[in-house]
Amino acid sequence: AQSVAQPEDQVNVAEGNPLTVKCTYSVSGNPYLFWYVQYPNRGLQFLLKYITGDNLVKGSYGFEAEFNKSQTSFHLKKPSALVSDSALYFCAVRDTDTGRRALTFGSGTRLQVQP
Amino acid sequence: DAGVTQSPTHLIKTRGQHVTLRCSPISGHKSVSWYQQVLGQGPQFIFQYYEKEERGRGNFPDRFSARQFPNYSSELNVNALLLGDSALYLCASSLGTGMMGDTQYFGPGTRLTVL
Repeated sequence: AQSVAQPEDQVNVAEGNPLTVKCTYSVSGNPYLFWYVQYPNRGLQFLLKYITGDNLVKGSYGFEAEFNKSQTSFHLKKPSALVSDSALYFCAVRDTDTGRRALTFGSGTRLQVQP
Repeated sequence: DAGVTQSPTHLIKTRGQHVTLRCSPISGHKSVSWYQQVLGQGPQFIFQYYEKEERGRGNFPDRFSARQFPNYSSELNVNALLLGDSALYLCASSLGTGMMGDTQYFGPGTRLTVL
């Protein structure tokens, strides 16, 4: 079975500083990885995904993620954080050991950007 | 373009009652998935439908059922509600190509409270 771990419940960063939200995964076969963001009382918004190819994936709102196969990680990054980036971030991996196309999510990391 | 829509936004029920949640996918998307998000956790997969057929089911009891209509909209039904069913129910739509990189786009969710 596949799984995702987000080791930090919360990440605090000052506005203008770079941010990293960590994610590690476990999956049989090739990984298909996704990042979503959730604002209070809202659904999930898609940020970016890794399917194959370049290890650095660029996504929405200036976010990018670095895929590292040897470390089974897919960390979310942004060079300069904004206060408006404060939200709950979820990493997810596509199921590969069943015929379904479900996503398995991590427990989420709350990002707090201080002005 | 309209995103994924869900109704109702909020719902309050009592234990033992039945509830129906509705979802309309993005135009052109043929697959709908349902997830349950309990407060403080990541979303958990419930069902996936494609072309009116169930493609996958998560680890939820038979009290949970769903269906997809010819216009690709979907309903999630939950019978004999328990307090533990209180959660945010998220609907996600995707093209349904069957490709592993097929992105799921989420609606705003229905907040169900069971008293």
